[in-house]
Amino acid sequence: SQQGEEDPQALSIQEGENATMNCSYKTSINNLQWYRQNSGRGLVHLILIRSNEREKHSGRLRVTLDTSKKSSSLLITASRAADTASYFCATHTPLVFGKGTRLSVIA
Amino acid sequence: DTAVSQTPKYLVTQMGNDKSIKCEQNLGHDTMYWYKQDSKKFLKIMFSYNNKELIINETVPNRFSPKSPDKAHLNLHINSLELGDSAVYFCASSYRGQGATNEKLFFGSGTQLSVL
Repeated sequence: SQQGEEDPQALSIQEGENATMNCSYKTSINNLQWYRQNSGRGLVHLILIRSNEREKHSGRLRVTLDTSKKSSSLLITASRAADTASYFCATHTPLVFGKGTRLSVIA
Repeated sequence: DTAVSQTPKYLVTQMGNDKSIKCEQNLGHDTMYWYKQDSKKFLKIMFSYNNKELIINETVPNRFSPKSPDKAHLNLHINSLELGDSAVYFCASSYRGQGATNEKLFFGSGTQLSVL
């Protein structure tokens, strides 16, 4: 299977803390994307990192990519209650998604 | 003003019925997709259309038939619904499709199908 695998499956933190989610994949990629899904909604694109990039930032998001380990991490700094959602990594064309990490940020 | 809109949002129906889900995008994208999300949140691609032509058809029962009247619309028709079809179905679109390496998907808000 080419799908990514997110870890952990669920994460619960206090508001203001940082949240780190990991993604592992199995075959070589051109890029890796992260998406967020709020409850009852569709997925929303967060950030794309190319295979020749090691780190990328967007606001409070920081994504790293280690192609030698076939893994990526998504860090959300200074989390807010509004960050509560499921987060998915996706690779390949067409996009193949993992099962997601369910993040709960407690106010 | 919704970029990718799909209807209905909820669909409750009996086993054996035929139903359709409609999807429209106003982003001018060339490629549209149908994804199925099961109860464990696993999201799996079903179909992909590029400029009204089917380019991806994953292992999906032939009871599922996508139809694309134009590149802005991709509808999903399901015949003889079964209990196992219960899931959330998402429509999505992207600017560049098959062969592109940096596609970003825009998703609709989903159709929750419940087969009783």
